Amino acid sequence: GIQVEQSPPDLILQEGANSTLRCNFSDSVNNLQWFHQNPWGQLINLFYIPSGTKQNGRLSATTVATERYSLLYISSSQTTDSGVYFCAVEAGGGNKLTFGTGTQLKVEL
Amino acid sequence: NAGVMQNPRHLVRRRGQEARLRCSPMKGHSHVYWYRQLPEEGLKFMVYLQKENIIDESGMPKERFSAEFPKEGPSILRIQQVVRGDSAAYFCASSPPTRDTQYFGPGTRLTVL
Repeated sequence: GIQVEQSPPDLILQEGANSTLRCNFSDSVNNLQWFHQNPWGQLINLFYIPSGTKQNGRLSATTVATERYSLLYISSSQTTDSGVYFCAVEAGGGNKLTFGTGTQLKVEL
Repeated sequence: NAGVMQNPRHLVRRRGQEARLRCSPMKGHSHVYWYRQLPEEGLKFMVYLQKENIIDESGMPKERFSAEFPKEGPSILRIQQVVRGDSAAYFCASSPPTRDTQYFGPGTRLTVL
């Protein structure tokens, strides 16, 4: 099946800093989503982005489907950004998402 | 527009008991998915259902686990004769007929004593 790798696995930032999270995948995808799992365990949809670039406030994402990677940018980070960021992809038309191992982000004051 | 709803949020069972997890998709969504997150791990796909049909159950354990999405009512994930290794967070997601974005519920945290 498709492989999804995320980097870095862990990241500690000072409040106000910017960061880039990366997601590499091993095959062509029909769907790519970014999620934030907050410290309470809830999964929050960030982006549906199988290709192209999208922005939502301090967050933006870019997927280069031909090169099989996606990037999530967090600008002016806040403590509420802490949690785990997951990239998930769907390939082959089966609708099931394959999740990466996540990036654990901690934003400190 | 209410999101995906799951209940109960927390469930405690003793070994050998049955666990029933419920999921109500977002309004207008006809596709339901179940995922499991074991402690310190990522999420793994279990099953994909539409009304009255199981579309893909390739991620379901072969024994003790079953899922349904009846014509009326919520989707149910049933775990019979639970064991400690079943302790996990179980997430339900739903998507619209276009089947693009999957929206996740808050999860049910199952603890098996």
